[in-house]
Amino acid sequence: QQQVKQSPQSLIVQKGGISIINCAYENTAFDYFPWYQQFPGKGPALLIAIRPDVSEKKEGRFTISFNKSAKQFSLHIMDSQPGDSATYFCAATGFQKLVFGTGTRLLVSP
Amino acid sequence: KAGVTQTPRYLIKTRGQQVTLSCSPISGHRSVSWYQQTPGQGLQFLFEYFSETQRNKGNFPGRFSGRQFSNSRSEMNVSTLELGDSALYLCASSRTRTDTQYFGPGTRLTVL
Repeated sequence: QQQVKQSPQSLIVQKGGISIINCAYENTAFDYFPWYQQFPGKGPALLIAIRPDVSEKKEGRFTISFNKSAKQFSLHIMDSQPGDSATYFCAATGFQKLVFGTGTRLLVSP
Repeated sequence: KAGVTQTPRYLIKTRGQQVTLSCSPISGHRSVSWYQQTPGQGLQFLFEYFSETQRNKGNFPGRFSGRQFSNSRSEMNVSTLELGDSALYLCASSRTRTDTQYFGPGTRLTVL
């Protein structure tokens, strides 16, 4: 019940395309859903986050869509750029613990 | 504002040794959490400290321990190192226990 399932494991997108990463959770006690971006050799960096009382949040090219009834949330990267190539982790917070998805390796081809 | 800093950045140890990793949180942040990242297991929660007290613990053996000092700096210790302890150890800090966590660059531990 503490798991967050993330898909796909890897993703290749053309420059300018839309990257979509999906996550699902079981525990309804989760109350905060951040997305982290990690480049090789670096720690994860907070990208965008959402709380379950909101269905969508947009920051620049990054949008989180949240479906509380389905217990699913997704990250959309619009106009994907080669600089977006990184590993993306969804996460969920409950009981002061951050539970991570397994990560999606995104490659944006020029 | 300076980010989370971790020292050392890289460490090589042999089996059976022990190691201490250090984390300095963002100024004003009182909560520090530690995570282990490996290719096979992903990012796994180790423990969380707040006000010098361990508040939460992940599913790791007792060889993994930590502490937090009055200035919120934290250390984690791994005793009797095993090959499987090779990983990137990440520290994250947050202003309170429920605020967003910000990660440091990690300490890459290699156990030979």
